[in-house]
Amino acid sequence: GNSVTQMEGPVTLSEEAFLTINCTYTATGYPSLFWYVQYPGEGLQLLLKATKADDKGSNKGFEATYRKETTSFHLEKGSVQVSDSAVYFCALSEPGNQFYFGTGTSLTVIP
Amino acid sequence: GAVVSQHPSRVICKSGTSVKIECRSLDFQATTMFWYRQFPKQSLMLMATSNEGSKATYEQGVEKDKFLINHASLTLSTLTVTSAHPEDSSFYICSARDQGGGGSNQPQHFGDGTRLSIL
Repeated sequence: GNSVTQMEGPVTLSEEAFLTINCTYTATGYPSLFWYVQYPGEGLQLLLKATKADDKGSNKGFEATYRKETTSFHLEKGSVQVSDSAVYFCALSEPGNQFYFGTGTSLTVIP
Repeated sequence: GAVVSQHPSRVICKSGTSVKIECRSLDFQATTMFWYRQFPKQSLMLMATSNEGSKATYEQGVEKDKFLINHASLTLSTLTVTSAHPEDSSFYICSARDQGGGGSNQPQHFGDGTRLSIL
């Protein structure tokens, strides 16, 4: 079956630190992979996506590369800001529309 | 970009009340919408898939008589929590996928969620 495993949080970093949030997946076919972000009290927002192996999604300084050989889609940012504090969800989708989400990783960036 | 509007954003009501939550796709058509529930500090759990013009598909363990879903048009799906009780208190989020093309490559667009509190 399909599933997404995310690094457990919470993660606390100082401003300008390097961020990595690990995400691995299991899929029966050829999924698209996504990172969503949820700010406190809000819904989910798409952060970035990748639709095939070796694709790199990027947005707002965040990057993630679709690695089929390691079934991973780790999220990275070179220098985090306080405003990046949120919960980050890794997700996959295969034809058929249903999304599978990881459990979310809470990030707190301190000044 | 594509926007999904969810209303209301917050509901506080007494036990036994039925609560309706609306999910609208504002600038695209969505034959399929999804309803998720999120418990505090946990991930999204898919409750049901709402299909325009037909019955919703519920995930295992979700009571369809408790959570009524209606998808009467290509831009509107509603979730009604019937006879709500305190254990139904949660954050409910809807999403829709733009059917304009791209298949599974199209991301879902999420509403801002509804925080339901049953006293």
